[in-house]
This record gives sequence, C-alpha cells and structure tokens, in this order.
Amino acid sequence: QTVVTQEPSFSVSPGGTVTLTCGLSSGSVSSNYYPSWYQQTPGQAPRMLIYNTNLRSSGVPDRFSGSILGNKAALTITGAQADDESHYYCVLYVHSGGVFGGGTKLTVL
Amino acid sequence: EVQLLESGGGLVQSGGSLRLSCAASGFTFSNYAMNWVRQAPGKGLEWVSRIRSSGDSTYYADSVKGRFTISRDNSKNTLSLKMNSLRVEDSAVYYCTKGGHYGDYDFWGQGTLVTVSS
Repeated sequence: QTVVTQEPSFSVSPGGTVTLTCGLSSGSVSSNYYPSWYQQTPGQAPRMLIYNTNLRSSGVPDRFSGSILGNKAALTITGAQADDESHYYCVLYVHSGGVFGGGTKLTVL
Repeated sequence: EVQLLESGGGLVQSGGSLRLSCAASGFTFSNYAMNWVRQAPGKGLEWVSRIRSSGDSTYYADSVKGRFTISRDNSKNTLSLKMNSLRVEDSAVYYCTKGGHYGDYDFWGQGTLVTVSS
C-alpha cells in the first residue's frame, strides 16, 4: 500500500519562504510519479497549483514553485502572503490512480 | 470557462445506494479522463475513481472497489458514480474533477455531500 507523507503543519512569516514536502513511506518520489499540488481554503474546493512536478497551473502566481528535493517532491512558496494560509495537498500518480498525502496546514503569521 | 456541477448527494442509510452525477461544460468532455475525489468531514482528500476519455477503462481505490461504479456519457457531457453497499465511512463531500495530462486534477466542481447513517 502506497502511503504519501506530508508535514501536518507549518508556519511562515509574511514575506518569508517555506518549502512543503511530499514523500513516500517507502521509497523515493521522482518525476515519474507526476507529483501535483493543490491548495484548499476552508469551505472551498481545492485548486491545482502545480502539476507534473514543476509546472504552474494557469493563473497561479510565480511565488509558487514545485521541484524534487532529494527523495521528495516539494512545494516552495517565496514571499508568503496572508492569503496563502490554507491546506496544501500533494498527490502522486500511482497505478492509474492518485494517492493523496494527508495535507499540510500552512499558517502565515 | 470549465464548469463541473455535481448533484445527487444526500442522506442514505448504511447498505443503501446513491448515484452521483456531474455535468461538465466549457471543454471537450470526450477528450479527457475524469475522476471522483472525496473528502470526509474535517479530513484530507482521497481519490476514489477514474475513467478514461472513451470510457473503456475504469480504475478504483481499494476502499470502494466492487461497490462503486464510474461511468460517463460523452454525448451528454456527464460523469456518474453509482455507489452501492454504502458504509458510514463513505460519508464525504464528493468532487468531480477533470483529468489533466499528467494524472492531475486540473479543475474541480464544488462538490456534493453524501451522508451515510448507521
């Protein structure tokens, strides 16, 4: 069974930089898993930020970037803003389906 | 503008059945895979099922395999999810999502709430 891991919570100061990660309980994440990232604010549907590791979805500010760091996928927010305070989910494409991580609650303060 | 509008959610007893629908517009529906993703109250996201653009192949999470059936009608731009033998743990908001080119979910509907009571 594939288990995708994310930090449960993270905090960043306004204007700061934060990197959220997406790993596997067993093994390494590579671009072959086509990692994608989603932002969800309370009461709203998720929206896609990053797909295929490092491609930004249309309309997503360039302060959001995706990469592979070591053995994990990563989402970096550079110059965090107050409205970046949200839940962030990664998903890996596995066996023709997706496996989501548990999500990271990002606080901007 | 891509729009995905789910319907069919509601309250059902454990062991019962429900059929969700998703009306799609703003893109060429028959060209894209579609998915259902769910979110239990206060919990994270869980991929449920995927169907290829032509409808000839379907895939399911282990948690719903054998109980749920995904289907699509490309002539009506509609995606469906038939849910049988529902369990309390199936209670969630169910989102219809458009499949991107890399196994991603590039557009989401607003979701429909399914509540399974014991």
